[in-house]
Amino acid sequence: AQSVAQPEDQVNVAEGNPLTVKCTYSVSGNPYLFWYVQYPNRGLQFLLKYITGDNLVKGSYGFEAEFNKSQTSFHLKKPSALVSDSALYFCAVRDRGGATNKLIFGTGTLLAVQP
Amino acid sequence: DADVTQTPRNRITKTGKRIMLECSQTKGHDRMYWYRQDPGLGLRLIYYSFDVKDINKGEISDGYSVSRQAQAKFSLSLESAIPNQTALYFCATSDIRAGGTREHEQFFGPGTRLTVL
Repeated sequence: AQSVAQPEDQVNVAEGNPLTVKCTYSVSGNPYLFWYVQYPNRGLQFLLKYITGDNLVKGSYGFEAEFNKSQTSFHLKKPSALVSDSALYFCAVRDRGGATNKLIFGTGTLLAVQP
Repeated sequence: DADVTQTPRNRITKTGKRIMLECSQTKGHDRMYWYRQDPGLGLRLIYYSFDVKDINKGEISDGYSVSRQAQAKFSLSLESAIPNQTALYFCATSDIRAGGTREHEQFFGPGTRLTVL
């Protein structure tokens, strides 16, 4: 069965420091991987995705994520955090070989960037 | 995303009442989804529809029903609301015609906060 794990409920980082939000996955076959962000009182917004090719994926707002097949991870990163990056971040996976088009979401990680 | 709208945005109701949450989209997408979000549980899929004639149960469909009235409209009903259905509900869309990998990108509405007393 497909699954996604976000091991940290919350990540705290000081503004200007690098940030990492962790995600690991379990699928049969090769995965499609996604990161979404949810700002307060808003719906989820697409940030970036890995489908194939380069393991380092660049997305919106200066975020990037690194796909690591051997560690089954897809951690979200940003070199220098902003206070405005504070939000809830969700990792999601879709099994490339699956018959449906559903996404499986992780439980979310709250990123708090302190000024 | 302003192209996916949900009504109402907030609703407080009592146990046993029938509730309908509505979702409309102007993106022209064929696929629509209903999720609920609970703290610590992330998003869980309730129902999804790949076109007007296609309705599928998600992982937590018990106690819910849906109606795809048109390509642009997908409603979620709670026939007899209970307190553990208190949650934030999101509608989302995606477009198979985008082709290839784009079809997996989902676009979310602003959410409906439902409280069942």
